[in-house]
Order: sequence, then structure tokens, then C-alpha cells
Amino acid sequence: DIVLTQSPALAVSLGQRATISCRASQSVSISKYNLMHWYQQSPGHQPKLLIYRASNLASGIPARFSGSGSGTDFTLTINPVQADDIATYYCQQSRESPWTFGGGTKVELK
Amino acid sequence: QVNLLQSGAALVKPGDSVKMSCKVSGYSFTAYWVSWVKQSHGKSLEWIGEIHPNNGATNFNEKFKGKATLTVDKSASTAYMEVSRLTSEDSAIYYCTMSSTVVTFAHWGQGTLVTVSS
Repeated sequence: DIVLTQSPALAVSLGQRATISCRASQSVSISKYNLMHWYQQSPGHQPKLLIYRASNLASGIPARFSGSGSGTDFTLTINPVQADDIATYYCQQSRESPWTFGGGTKVELK
Repeated sequence: QVNLLQSGAALVKPGDSVKMSCKVSGYSFTAYWVSWVKQSHGKSLEWIGEIHPNNGATNFNEKFKGKATLTVDKSASTAYMEVSRLTSEDSAIYYCTMSSTVVTFAHWGQGTLVTVSS
């Protein structure tokens, strides 16, 4: 199985930039496609798709969210962080079944 | 507007089975895969398996083979998952999700909380 590793927590100030990383145990890229996706989960809610294929903003997601990366290293950036962004963020790969998620990064206020 | 409406919370006894549902509206039910994802309390997300409503084809995470059974009722645009031989390790929130053309988990249901307790 492809293992995705994320830092467990990140403390940020409102209005600042937050950078969340995800490292895969093997490449999740095929040709021009980077098969890594990002989800936001607020407390008591279901996950919500933010970014698909590493850098594409999902429908209705504000432009302060962005994604980058390829191969085994990926980044989700929130800039600037707003109060609604305090949540847990998960990366997920669709390169190889079983589809796997990272352990999640909890974004907290500094 | 895409909506995945899941059945309500369940309290079940060890050794029993539980069957939960996921009704899809505002989306082409037979065009995309329906997956089920487990989230144990305070933990991350685990993919259980997926079913294609058009033909009933399934794929499973090896960890959940024999544990979870996936079915659909196309006429009702509803997917079902049955989890059998329940233990305390099965206490969790279970989410149904639907794929799109570009991503596995594009849309999510609100989750079904399953508590296994005697």
C-alpha cells in the first residue's frame, strides 16, 4: 500500500500563510497526472474536496487554497488563513488501489 | 446540487451485522463509483471499497474483504454497505462518497455513526 505521511499539527495566525505537506512512500504521478488530492474536514463534518490532481481547485473552493507538487512530495497552501480554515486536512492518493489517506494535519490557531 | 443522504446512527451488539444506506440525488448515480470510507474516533480515513452502480462491479481494500458487503438499488439511486461480525473495532463513522471523472472522492455523505456495544 502507498503510505502518505503528514505532520500531525500546524499552528498558524489568522491572515498568515499555512503550508501543509504530504509525502508518499512511492511516486503517485503517472505521465502528466499527479494523482494526489486534498480534503478539509471541520469538526463534526464530513470531509470536503479542496484540491484534485495536486493543483486543481475544486468547485466552490476559494482561491486562497492552492496545491503543488509531483512524484512523492506535495503541498497544500492556505494564504491567507481565515477563521473558517481551522480544520484537519488530509491528502489522498489515487495512483494505486487501495486508495489511501494521510494521517491528517490539524491546523490550529497560534 | 449533489446530495448523498446516509441512514441514521446505529447501536449494535458485538457479533451482529449492520446495514447502512446512502441515497444519491442531483448526480448521475449509475455513472460513477460509490466508495465507503471508515473514520474511527479521532483517527484518519480508511477506504473500505467501491461499487459501480451500473453493473455492480466491486473493488475492496484487502483489509475489509469478507467484512463489508456492498450493494446498490439502481431504481432507488441508493447504495448499501453491510458490515458483519461486529466488534468494538468497528465502532466508527462510515461515509459514502461518489467519484467524478477526475477524483475518487468528489462528493461525501454526512456519515453514519455505528457504535458496537453490549
